[in-house]
Amino acid sequence: EVQLVESGGGLVQPGRSLRLSCAASGFTFDDYAMHWVRQAPGKGLEWVSGISWNSGSIGYADSVKGRFTISRDNAKNSLYLQMNSLRAEDMALYYCAKESGYDFGGAGNYFDYWGQGTLVTVSS
Amino acid sequence: SYELTQPLSVSVALGQTARITCGGNNIGSKNVHWYQQKPGQAPVLVIYRDSNRPSGIPERFSGSNSGNTATLTISRAQAGDEADYYCQVWDSSTEAFGGGTKLTVL
Repeated sequence: EVQLVESGGGLVQPGRSLRLSCAASGFTFDDYAMHWVRQAPGKGLEWVSGISWNSGSIGYADSVKGRFTISRDNAKNSLYLQMNSLRAEDMALYYCAKESGYDFGGAGNYFDYWGQGTLVTVSS
Repeated sequence: SYELTQPLSVSVALGQTARITCGGNNIGSKNVHWYQQKPGQAPVLVIYRDSNRPSGIPERFSGSNSGNTATLTISRAQAGDEADYYCQVWDSSTEAFGGGTKLTVL
């Protein structure tokens, strides 16, 4: 059974940093691209960042480019999101999502499994 | 960035057919995926690559994609189908989601 378990969320002041983690199990982690998708309270889904199986291809939404860094450790079956210079508009539930293929954004790929999310609150 | 337009809400009578649209420039040339999200839960994939159903998704869920509109169709709507539905495509090195449609089953 595929499981994605996010952690690392919490309350943080504007301008500070936070690191999210996603522990994956139930599949061969290094065979698949992975993503972070967020959802602000009462709002829709917003793609944040994605990374290919070997970290060779990475992408970010314009809203987080230059502030967030995605990474993965295939030996630990883990995905990470380093979030710096946090803003009020970054407050959201952050989901870890598995892509159906190995290449980030590969043609026809989709998010076939999602975690339950970790909540990031940005407030002074 | 590529924009996907969905109606904010769609209502359907119990047992009838609901259609949720997702508009985008020449979206028919792209692969469209659909997700269902119930309150307090993570999204679940219900249609991938325009019209394919993952295992475990009822045959009542179907999809199509042509021109500037992709459509998710839910036949014989049930109370358990009430949820938010999101379309999603890959475009120019980013993933794009529609704004979401709240489906109400009357």
